[in-house]
This record gives sequence, C-alpha cells and structure tokens, in this order.
Amino acid sequence: DTGVSQDPRHKITKRGQNVTFRCDPISEHNRLYWYRQTLGQGPEFLTYFQNEAQLEKSRLLSDRFSAERPKGSFSTLEIQRTEQGDSAMYLCASSLSGGRNEKLFFGSGTQLSVL
Amino acid sequence: AQKVTQAQTEISVVEKEDVTLDCVYETRDTTYYLFWYKQPPSGELVFLIRRNSFDEQNEISGRYSWNFQKSTSSFNFTITASQVVDSAVYFCALVTGANNLFFGTGTRLTVIP
Repeated sequence: DTGVSQDPRHKITKRGQNVTFRCDPISEHNRLYWYRQTLGQGPEFLTYFQNEAQLEKSRLLSDRFSAERPKGSFSTLEIQRTEQGDSAMYLCASSLSGGRNEKLFFGSGTQLSVL
Repeated sequence: AQKVTQAQTEISVVEKEDVTLDCVYETRDTTYYLFWYKQPPSGELVFLIRRNSFDEQNEISGRYSWNFQKSTSSFNFTITASQVVDSAVYFCALVTGANNLFFGTGTRLTVIP
C-alpha cells in the first residue's frame, strides 16, 4: 500500500491525558497537512509542512497542540491535556511540492474520543 | 473572507437516477481553485476534480460532470445513472492565494438499490 497511512485508527482517552498520532505520507511527497473533522462538518486546516519545516499553523491549533516532521518524512501530532472538545477525526494528507492548489492525498484518519 | 456553501445536507436517490450536488463559493480573489472530494464510509477523502478560476469549461469524466459558472459563483457536480457505490459524503472546497484547502460542510448522498 503506497497511500497515506495514519496510526492509530481509533484512540479513546480520558480528559487531561496526552495523545500522539502518526502520519506516514506518500514517500515522494514533500508537503504534509493535518486537518481536523468534527461530525457533520468538513475538514478544517490545522497546519502544514514543506519537508521538515512547519510553514503555517491555523488559529485552531492551540498551544496544547504540537506537530513535528523531524526528517521530512513521517509526522506526529500531539495533543496535551486533552479536552472533550478535542474529540474529532484527525486527517493527514500529503502532496507533491507545489502550491496550495495541488491535489491532496488523504489518509483514513485517526478518530479521537475524549471521555 | 472565503466561504463554501453546500446547502444540501443529505440527498437520497434511487439507483440509476441522476443527481446534482450544489456548491456555491465566495472569495474576493480573482485567482482561485475549486475542488470536489468524495469521502466514503472508510473515511479517506478521495480527490475528484480541480478547476482554476480562469477555466470555465465544463468537464465530464465517465458518469461524473461538473458545471462551473463564475457568474453565479457555483461549481455543481452531477452524477449520471447513480450507483450504490456512489454513496458517500461529497465535499466542495476552495483554495485561494492566501488560504489552504477550505471545505464546505458536505452533502451526504445515499443511493438506494
């Protein structure tokens, strides 16, 4: 399988705990995006990387959220001190380098439930 | 500010019927790109089409067709002879010079056999 893969598929945690998600993009893709999707809504942009550099962060990304892409390959998204409002599907996507108008290849997402 | 409106929250059709999913967008940019993505129950969004603001030609790909009209700021998507496998949530999305892919709220299509 050469698509975008995300791990885990599901995560249940208690409020206040920290969680970390992983995304492995398509190998030759330079850009990696994180989106969040809540029930009945479209995905919302969180942040993106060009290689290892984090170039843009949405105001949705509070200081409890941090994303890394240390070697320009896989990426992690960590949420500290989770809140019930963090419950959502976290989607990762990648694209070849280029502008924002490149088509994105999405993973199947990590569904987070905060109890 | 930019906005993407998909007024149809849910649509149900019987197999083999045609169905049109509406998308209306707002942006002040003169250069922008419009997209449609499909999200099946597995959750993975799948790219369907990209259109730039300077190309108003309609496009047909098999049973899928898209009607882009700048005069009404619309980018509608038609599925001809719908099939059960078309059941999914469909998202219209917009990219401008300063903003990353911005999605509408989606239309859930159910095709009844």
